[in-house]
Amino acid sequence: GENVEQHPSTLSVQEGDSAVIKCTYSDSASNYFPWYKQELGKRPQLIIDIRSNVGEKKDQRIAVTLNKTAKHFSLHITETQPEDSAVYFCAAIGGGADGLTFGKGTHLIIQP
Amino acid sequence: NAGVTQTPKFRVLKTGQSMTLLCAQDMNHEYMYWYRQDPGMGLRLIHYSVGEGTTAKGEVPDGYNVSRLKKQNFLLGLESAAPSQTSVYFCASSYSSGSSYNSPLHFGNGTRLTVT
Repeated sequence: GENVEQHPSTLSVQEGDSAVIKCTYSDSASNYFPWYKQELGKRPQLIIDIRSNVGEKKDQRIAVTLNKTAKHFSLHITETQPEDSAVYFCAAIGGGADGLTFGKGTHLIIQP
Repeated sequence: NAGVTQTPKFRVLKTGQSMTLLCAQDMNHEYMYWYRQDPGMGLRLIHYSVGEGTTAKGEVPDGYNVSRLKKQNFLLGLESAAPSQTSVYFCASSYSSGSSYNSPLHFGNGTRLTVT
């Protein structure tokens, strides 16, 4: 089945700086890659997703890039703000499977 | 439109007790999932369903059973709870997860289960 690795597990950045979280996946048939944000005690919520026919997608301060050849995708957050502090999960869906496979999460800390 | 609703929100069980977690969605989604979330482990798929009357095993199915008698409901059962099943359980639903047209998962608010 699909295997998703996520790095780093914890990321601390100064407010206003950029943050980058990276994920790799194992199944070359995977074609959908969402990112979820989870605040403490709350449910995961989709913040951005990308499909395999697109290399990059941007939504205001958030962008995701996908390199199908290398089988990795990344989340980029620019001009970080205190409300960006949360745990972020990447996920992928394998070509023949049902259900997303998630990375183990990155705890993003925004330092004032 | 409530989205995905999970009940109960919290539960404490003794080892060996049984319980059922209920998930209900009002978005007419075909696919429903049960995940468990443990510190440092991310979200791991327990069981899922691709439609009414169907269920399938995910990554960590042992010790759990599920049923999907109605399209809008997906039940997760623990027949004999163990301390290793202490976790936060999330239900989710989506239009589909087929490779041709994936759609995002919509999560419920979670159930925090403690087994002593």
